[in-house]
Amino acid sequence: AQSVTQPDIHITVSEGASLELRCNYSYGATPYLFWYVQSPGQGLQLLLKYFSGDTLVQGIKGFEAEFKRSQSSFNLRKPSVHWSDAAEYFCAVATSGGYQKVTFGTGTKLQVIP
Amino acid sequence: GAGVSQSPRYKVAKRGQDVALRCDPISGHVSLFWYQQALGQGPEFLTYFQNEAQLDKSGLPSDRFFAERPEGSVSTLKIQRTQQEDSAVYLCASSHNNEQFFGPGTRLTVL
Repeated sequence: AQSVTQPDIHITVSEGASLELRCNYSYGATPYLFWYVQSPGQGLQLLLKYFSGDTLVQGIKGFEAEFKRSQSSFNLRKPSVHWSDAAEYFCAVATSGGYQKVTFGTGTKLQVIP
Repeated sequence: GAGVSQSPRYKVAKRGQDVALRCDPISGHVSLFWYQQALGQGPEFLTYFQNEAQLDKSGLPSDRFFAERPEGSVSTLKIQRTQQEDSAVYLCASSHNNEQFFGPGTRLTVL
């Protein structure tokens, strides 16, 4: 069974600083990987996804993530954080066959300070 | 077009009551998923439908949980004899081209 680890429960960054959120996954084959963002009281919004091909994927809101098979990682990055990026971020892995059962990490809560 | 909608957005139930949570997926989406998100946790898979067929219910925590999608569109998650540990946000998602689109969730509080 697949699993996801997000080692950082809470991260605080200054507005304008760079951001990297860590994600490690466990899955026997090439996975489908996702990053979602959840603001308070809101549903999950997809930031970006990796299925195959180029290991550096671009997403919405200026986010990017890099798939590193050798490290089983899919870290999320943003060069300059805005106050509106404060939210909870979830990494997720899905099986690459069948109906795509998704397993989420426990999330990283991002706080942005002025 | 409209996204996934869920109702009610908030539900307070007394322990032992039955509740029904509704999900309206994006029109035309064949696949539909239910997740449970406890406070401070990531969503956890409950069940999956392809059209009206429930193909995976391995995540349902007990036989008090029941889901249906009789006409292959709207789905209902029913919880019988609610317990305090059922308090969570219940998320519904419909899927197209391997991307899941999530509704805003129903926050269930069991007193």
